[in-house]
Amino acid sequence: AQKITQTQPGMFVQEKEAVTLDCTYDTSDPSYGLFWYKQPSSGEMIFLIYQGSYDQQNATEGRYSLNFQKARKSANLVISASQLGDSAMYFCAMRALNQAGTALIFGKGTTLSVSS
Amino acid sequence: GAVVSQHPSWVICKSGTSVKIECRSLDFQATTMFWYRQFPKQSLMLMATSNEGSKATYEQGVEKDKFLINHASLTLSTLTVTSAHPEDSSFYICSARDPRGDTQYFGPGTRLTVL
Repeated sequence: AQKITQTQPGMFVQEKEAVTLDCTYDTSDPSYGLFWYKQPSSGEMIFLIYQGSYDQQNATEGRYSLNFQKARKSANLVISASQLGDSAMYFCAMRALNQAGTALIFGKGTTLSVSS
Repeated sequence: GAVVSQHPSWVICKSGTSVKIECRSLDFQATTMFWYRQFPKQSLMLMATSNEGSKATYEQGVEKDKFLINHASLTLSTLTVTSAHPEDSSFYICSARDPRGDTQYFGPGTRLTVL
């Protein structure tokens, strides 16, 4: 069975600082994908970044980077130079890549609050 | 980029009535769509996997007769909440997997309030 664990219910950071949101996972599938989504108060799920289990390098997308440590089964999201607009709920998710019909499994989420 | 739409974005209904929510993939054909439910400040819980042209696969604990799912075309899946009750009030989100890659795109969600 797959499982995603996000241990930080809430995180607080000041503008322009970097913040790391933790995510650990558990799976028996050899090929899997890890995702991070942002959900602002409007409710829409915004895709941020993706990391494949066989990717050699950590994924980066603008101010977002994923610190992928396969042996430790962790996929932490790093947001550099935080902005007020980054305040939202953040979800780590995973799915097996060898099963086309499988859904994303989500962690419980972390609420990020950015202050000026 | 890929876009998934949902309609309506919010709905208020009386207890005992049925509500239909539509999920459409606008830029690609989605053989598989997913329906999630989310309570305030909580995670997304998968309700069912909707497969085009076949019956939906429901997660354990989700009532098939209460949450009817139809995936009649490659771009449309519908979720009907039958005989809605106040405890069905929630945020319902659909997603569609773009077969050209591994990303799932989410609709904007539907906020259902049952009075």
